[in-house]
Amino acid sequence: GAVVSQHPSRVICKSGTSVKIECRSLDFQATTMFWYRQFPKKSLMLMATSNEGSKATYEQGVEKDKFLINHASLTLSTLTVTSAHPEDSSFYICSARRGWDEQFFGPGTRLTVL
Amino acid sequence: KQEVTQIPAALSVPEGENLVLNCSFTDSAIYNLQWFRQDPGKGLTSLLLIQSSQREQTSGRLNASLDKSSGRSTLYIAASQPGDSATYLCAVKMDSSYKLIFGSGTRLLVRP
Repeated sequence: GAVVSQHPSRVICKSGTSVKIECRSLDFQATTMFWYRQFPKKSLMLMATSNEGSKATYEQGVEKDKFLINHASLTLSTLTVTSAHPEDSSFYICSARRGWDEQFFGPGTRLTVL
Repeated sequence: KQEVTQIPAALSVPEGENLVLNCSFTDSAIYNLQWFRQDPGKGLTSLLLIQSSQREQTSGRLNASLDKSSGRSTLYIAASQPGDSATYLCAVKMDSSYKLIFGSGTRLLVRP
């Protein structure tokens, strides 16, 4: 199966700082990547769809200026949480689309904002 | 708007038992349905993908069925093992979108 990596796996930061999370498709090219957020014992909530070379499409209620997404190449998308606050603490998961049917998920990034 | 529901939210069974996890969706115009496994603090592992034209898919001790018209899918796990303990998520993909819409998951504990 295809492999998607995320870095870092875990990050702790102070309130007001910005944090960048990387999502990479290691053995295939992904024109589309997705960013999800997951609260404890809850399901995945889609935040945005990231298309290579174009602006991300954000889901309703997700602040695009807060969660900056860049998809600069066919194997890399980044999510930057700007001016992070404790309520931004969560588990962030990316996925990469291959073909029409398949999405492969990264291992997730645990963000803790103090 | 598509809504995906999973019942039960949590399940605890003794090792060796056969069990069924349920997933229902409100809009039957799906392209496919997928079952995932998520271990604590980890990403998602795809278990089975059922296309809208299919009725079921099998992989080892897992069998997933799909009744598109009634908006239901089940994941059957035979002879459960402690290593099966995890959260199981179902997700649907609509005809018109790349997006996956997830249910809230069933947390499974298989007791030795």
